[in-house]
Amino acid sequence: DAGITQSPRYKITETGRQVTLMCHQTWSHSYMFWYRQDLGHGLRLIYYSAAADITDKGEVPDGYVVSRSKTENFPLTLESATRSQTSVYFCASLTPGGGELFFGEGSRLTVL
Amino acid sequence: AQKITQTQPGMFVQEKEAVTLDCTYDTSDPSYGLFWYKQPSSGEMIFLIYQGSYDQQNATEGRYSLNFQKARKSANLVISASQLGDSAMYFCAMRENLRSGGSYIPTFGRGTSLIVHP
Repeated sequence: DAGITQSPRYKITETGRQVTLMCHQTWSHSYMFWYRQDLGHGLRLIYYSAAADITDKGEVPDGYVVSRSKTENFPLTLESATRSQTSVYFCASLTPGGGELFFGEGSRLTVL
Repeated sequence: AQKITQTQPGMFVQEKEAVTLDCTYDTSDPSYGLFWYKQPSSGEMIFLIYQGSYDQQNATEGRYSLNFQKARKSANLVISASQLGDSAMYFCAMRENLRSGGSYIPTFGRGTSLIVHP
């Protein structure tokens, strides 16, 4: 099925642990994004990528690392998880003409 | 400064009535796109409608229409004949144009919670 898949959908971890959220798209969209959603803040951009091997920081990048060795994959890593990183994380990709942003199902992360 | 402003944290509407969700934006880029997304309680983000800044007519998709007022920099979502299933969070977003120096990164408002009463 075409689309964006995120894994895991739900994750509980402990403070200080490393966590990686996976994102895979079946198209070849150049632009991919990671957003976090917290109550009262809407969606805030963590990192984005304009193409394979090109990534850049968004609004709230601290504590996160991304990579994009292949166009279809855009993993997000929390190097040492903190409680403030408890959130719902969305991966998204933008169609070439910029007319639609496709979202994954979201990954709910809880840091204890 | 916020690029997207949604001033209504919550809205209530009677079933079968129309409702307008407000969105204003801020950009100096002449070429940009505006989106609306619906997020039901299940959490997924559902694309509703898109308006390009050069589109002459307001975008429509079924019961959804985007009231685009360029001079006022507003892009309000109008839902006609509300249904109970329309109860959800609604997000407005804007993408500027990379070629004219825009960020090309969709920026979201904080959302409006819509509740449809029977």
